[in-house]
Amino acid sequence: DAKTTQPNSMESNEEEPVHLPCNHSTISGTDYIHWYRQLPSQGPEYVIHGLTSNVNNRMASLAIAEDRKSSTLILHRATLRDAAVYYCILRDVGGNTPLVFGKGTRLSVIA
Amino acid sequence: EAGVAQSPRYKIIEKRQSVAFWCNPISGHATLYWYQQILGQGPKLLIQFQNNGVVDDSQLPKDRFSAERLKGVDSTLKIQPAKLEDSAVYLCASSLAGVYNSPLHFGNGTRLTVT
Repeated sequence: DAKTTQPNSMESNEEEPVHLPCNHSTISGTDYIHWYRQLPSQGPEYVIHGLTSNVNNRMASLAIAEDRKSSTLILHRATLRDAAVYYCILRDVGGNTPLVFGKGTRLSVIA
Repeated sequence: EAGVAQSPRYKIIEKRQSVAFWCNPISGHATLYWYQQILGQGPKLLIQFQNNGVVDDSQLPKDRFSAERLKGVDSTLKIQPAKLEDSAVYLCASSLAGVYNSPLHFGNGTRLTVT
C-alpha cells in the first residue's frame, strides 16, 4: 500500500509558484522520495527524487523536511501544461523496486 | 531516444472474450513492468520482469491474466476470459537494471473497455 498522504486536489493560477505537499511519517532510512506526474491520457512521467537534501532540476524543486517525514514539490511558475495528477512515492534504494502509487494530487492551473 | 511503445491504444471487447496487449520497452532497459490503472486511481503493479524472468507477479490475477517477455525485450499481457472489472488502462514501463533509483519510463497505455 502507498505510504504517503497527499491532498486530493489543488488549484493554481498560471505563472504563479505551486507547492504540492506530501506526508510520509513512516519513511525508512533507505526510502527515497520520488515524484511522478501524469498528464491527461498519458502514462506517468518522472519529475524528481531525493533522499535528504533539497533537489533542483529543470522541471521542479524538491524540498525535504529535516526529519524526512514530509516533502514539498515546488513548481516555480505553473503553466497550463503542468495541469496533471502528481504522485509522491517512497521507493527503497535497493535494486529496481517498483513504484507503489497512491491517488496523488490533481493540480488544476487557471489561466 | 524512443520511448516505451504500446499497442493497441484502445480496445473494446465483450466479457468472456480474450485480449492481448503489446509493449516494446526502451532499448537497453532490462526491467519491464505492467501496471493496471482503473479510472480515478493510481496505477497498480501487475508484474515485473528482469530480462525474461519474473521478479514479482504477486498481484497478477493468474487465473485470467498472463504475461511473457520472450528474449528479454518485448512483452505481451493477456487476459482470458475478460471480466467487466478489467476495464482499465494497462500501462507498460521500463527502467535500467542495476542502477539505483533508475526512473521508470511509461508508455501511454492501452485503454480496455469490457462490455
